Amino acid sequence: DQQVKQNSPSLSVQEGRISILNCDYTNSMFDYFLWYKKYPAEGPTFLISISSIKDKNEDGRFTVFLNKSAKHLSLHIVPSQPGDSAVYFCAALSNTGNQFYFGTGTSLTVIP
Amino acid sequence: EAQVTQNPRYLITVTGKKLTVTCSQNMNHEYMSWYRQDPGLGLRQIYYSMNVEVTDKGDVPEGYKVSRKEKRNFPLILESPSPNQTSLYFCASSPGGFNGEFFGPGTRLTVL
Repeated sequence: DQQVKQNSPSLSVQEGRISILNCDYTNSMFDYFLWYKKYPAEGPTFLISISSIKDKNEDGRFTVFLNKSAKHLSLHIVPSQPGDSAVYFCAALSNTGNQFYFGTGTSLTVIP
Repeated sequence: EAQVTQNPRYLITVTGKKLTVTCSQNMNHEYMSWYRQDPGLGLRQIYYSMNVEVTDKGDVPEGYKVSRKEKRNFPLILESPSPNQTSLYFCASSPGGFNGEFFGPGTRLTVL
């Protein structure tokens, strides 16, 4: 059973606007949540993470928000750029620090 | 350059013929892992290793073996490959969970 879910397979956004990618999880014992970006024919690249004791973490154009009561996190990209077009994976790290669980990915297209 | 390397990048084989996919990292990371990526299923962890001689099963370990005799290497072994192991495989290493994982470029495996 999928413990981390990304229910939107794809998203299109105009250049300069905000991209919001969503992720839901079922296990309240996850310690950290992470976002990765993946271009075709490459491995995923780590973008940003957030501890389960925080509700927001920001790094440049990328901000991750965590809503523990809703078991939901989101990645905001502002402003969106054409180079942001990629597949974005949400992931969670178990509280033992050993195991990662990934979502199914959301394909973001930023239209120039 | 910090990197995770995998070999081979592409492999076509037949059912039952043992194969090994090598993985090496030059970042002195203790944590390494293997994933498979399948359409609609995202990335699923096969095995992970917290350190030399310490390995453990991920979500989908059936049909796979791993070994960790040196810190830098973490080979994935398919003793008797079957067509349902046709997939895109990624090796990854990490300095610590919340720092995310560094992924290799992937190995596209086809089992006929």
